[in-house]
Amino acid sequence: GNSVTQMEGPVTLSEEAFLTINCTYTATGYPSLFWYVQYPGEGLQLLLKATKADDKGSNKGFEATYRKETTSFHLEKGSVQVSDSAVYFCALSDQTGGFKTIFGAGTRLFVKA
Amino acid sequence: DSGVTQTPKHLITATGQRVTLRCSPRSGDLSVYWYQQSLDQGLQFLIHYYNGEERAKGNILERFSAQQFPDLHSELNLSSLELGDSALYFCASSASGGGGQETQYFGPGTRLLVL
Repeated sequence: GNSVTQMEGPVTLSEEAFLTINCTYTATGYPSLFWYVQYPGEGLQLLLKATKADDKGSNKGFEATYRKETTSFHLEKGSVQVSDSAVYFCALSDQTGGFKTIFGAGTRLFVKA
Repeated sequence: DSGVTQTPKHLITATGQRVTLRCSPRSGDLSVYWYQQSLDQGLQFLIHYYNGEERAKGNILERFSAQQFPDLHSELNLSSLELGDSALYFCASSASGGGGQETQYFGPGTRLLVL
């Protein structure tokens, strides 16, 4: 079945550091890939998405590229801020999975001033 | 604010009891999804309704049931509650049938504590 694997957290960075959160997936079809972010006390919100191979999703300085050859969708940001502290979820959805969205375990990010 | 509302925000109950969680999707959205978030299981998809019809089922226990009403709000019913059902329950909505590219908009969640 479909699955998503994310790097374990927490990840602790200083402000302005470079961020990478690794995400790899297993899917039998051609999934769409997503990154969602959950700020403390809130629900998840979509950060970015990519719907086909080699697509790059980007938003708020974050970006991720859909790599079919390595089945990966790593999240990157060049310079993190304290306000980026949150939990980040990688997710996939595809037709063979009935379009159920499968989420990774989440990676907690702490950014220190 | 995603436009998805969930009530109640918090719920404390005892084992063996039954509770109902309510979700109102964003205006115009036809799909509603329910998720359970717990420390040990992570974020698990429970069920998806589209325009009143069940579209997909995930890891939903038989003790749990859901429905979507004609006004498109949805309720998740949890019965014979166990300690392990304590979790954050999220509702999400999307514009149409839940195709792979659709963005889901999440509500703030209902935190359930079973004592």
